[in-house]
Amino acid sequence: GGIITQTPKFLIGQEGQKLTLKCQQNFNHDTMYWYRQDSGKGLRLIYYSITENDLQKGDLSEGYDASREKKSSFSLTVTSAQKNEMAVFLCASSRTANTGQLYFGEGSKLTVL
Amino acid sequence: GEQVEQRPPHLSVREGDSAIIICTYTDSATAYFSWYKQEAGAGLQLLMSVLSNVDRKEEQGLTVLLNKKDKRLSLNLTAAHPGDSAVYFCAVRGTGGYKVVFGSGTRLLVSP
Repeated sequence: GGIITQTPKFLIGQEGQKLTLKCQQNFNHDTMYWYRQDSGKGLRLIYYSITENDLQKGDLSEGYDASREKKSSFSLTVTSAQKNEMAVFLCASSRTANTGQLYFGEGSKLTVL
Repeated sequence: GEQVEQRPPHLSVREGDSAIIICTYTDSATAYFSWYKQEAGAGLQLLMSVLSNVDRKEEQGLTVLLNKKDKRLSLNLTAAHPGDSAVYFCAVRGTGGYKVVFGSGTRLLVSP
């Protein structure tokens, strides 16, 4: 088995601040994803990376940057945090981009004051 | 792009009853279908996946049905118990890309 570790678990920032979330997986999976989950709602895809050195925009990429530093890690940056923004950011990985079977981390909860 | 609708948003059943959650999708070329469970404060846990050539799959009290003609995917929890209380999501992936699109979730409450 493996695990996906997201850090930090809780992140509090100020309006306009650049904030970075990190994700590590030890599954040796090729593909990694970042989703945003707003309270009581579904998941929206922000960025994904099919393989190391690849980066693809999802449906919600505006206001975010992402970086696949190496196969095991994928980070997400909120380029300018919006006041009263509150959401959970979920990182996931899959063995390949073809499988559609995603394994998720516990999530990082963002609060912007 | 692919659109997924999930219903109902909320579902309450008594212990031992069945709970059925349905998703409809728009892309007839959708290739891969999955169901996930999210407990409070946690990430999503993969429950079951089926390919488009599978109509029915059963595992440990869960049944997934795929109706490609109607573009409908369902999850049936037979004999639900309180530990099944959680939010359930369907997810689909098309053949034309690698995006995995999620439904909006169903909050299931199983009471004793």
